[in-house]
Amino acid sequence: ELKVEQNPLFLSMQEGKNYTIYCNYSTTSDRLYWYRQDPGKSLESLFVLLSNGAVKQEGRLMASLDTKARLSTLHITAAVHDLSATYFCAVPHQLGGGADGLTFGKGTHLIIQP
Amino acid sequence: KAGVTQTPRYLIKTRGQQVTLSCSPISGHRSVSWYQQTPGQGLQFLFEYFSETQRNKGNFPGRFSGRQFSNSRSEMNVSTLELGDSALYLCASTTIGGGPGELFFGEGSRLTVL
Repeated sequence: ELKVEQNPLFLSMQEGKNYTIYCNYSTTSDRLYWYRQDPGKSLESLFVLLSNGAVKQEGRLMASLDTKARLSTLHITAAVHDLSATYFCAVPHQLGGGADGLTFGKGTHLIIQP
Repeated sequence: KAGVTQTPRYLIKTRGQQVTLSCSPISGHRSVSWYQQTPGQGLQFLFEYFSETQRNKGNFPGRFSGRQFSNSRSEMNVSTLELGDSALYLCASTTIGGGPGELFFGEGSRLTVL
């Protein structure tokens, strides 16, 4: 059974600081997804990581994937309040994409304080 | 282009009743999947439909069912509602074959069972 673990689950940080969220998964996968969720809202796609060593950056967020270690990281640089949200990583049940279903981590609830 | 549309957005039911939720995918997307989100269990895969056929199903009781129509619109039904069925139900759509297999989520239907 595929398991996806995120840590930390809760993170309170100050603006301007850097931090990393970790996502470990238990079985072989060729891709990994990161989503953001604001309170009461749906899931917004942040990154699609499609291969080992993939690195993607958008603004202050950077995601990477190491398929051999079954590990993905989401790095936040110089955090700003607008990044406060819950971040989820997700792994497809089967190789080749998410249509067959995704297993999500528990989510990292991120609060960024002035 | 228009995103994934879910209706209704909010609804309140009582135990024992049944509920039907609707999802219209992004134009051109033929795969529709459903997820349940609760504070305790997080995001859990319910089922996925493609070309009017259920291809995958998560670990949920038979009270949870769905279908997909020829225009790719999907409905899910929960019968004999229980208090624990209170959740945000999210629909997602994606393309099949090639591409990143990224799921795009709707705003969700928030079900409260009293």
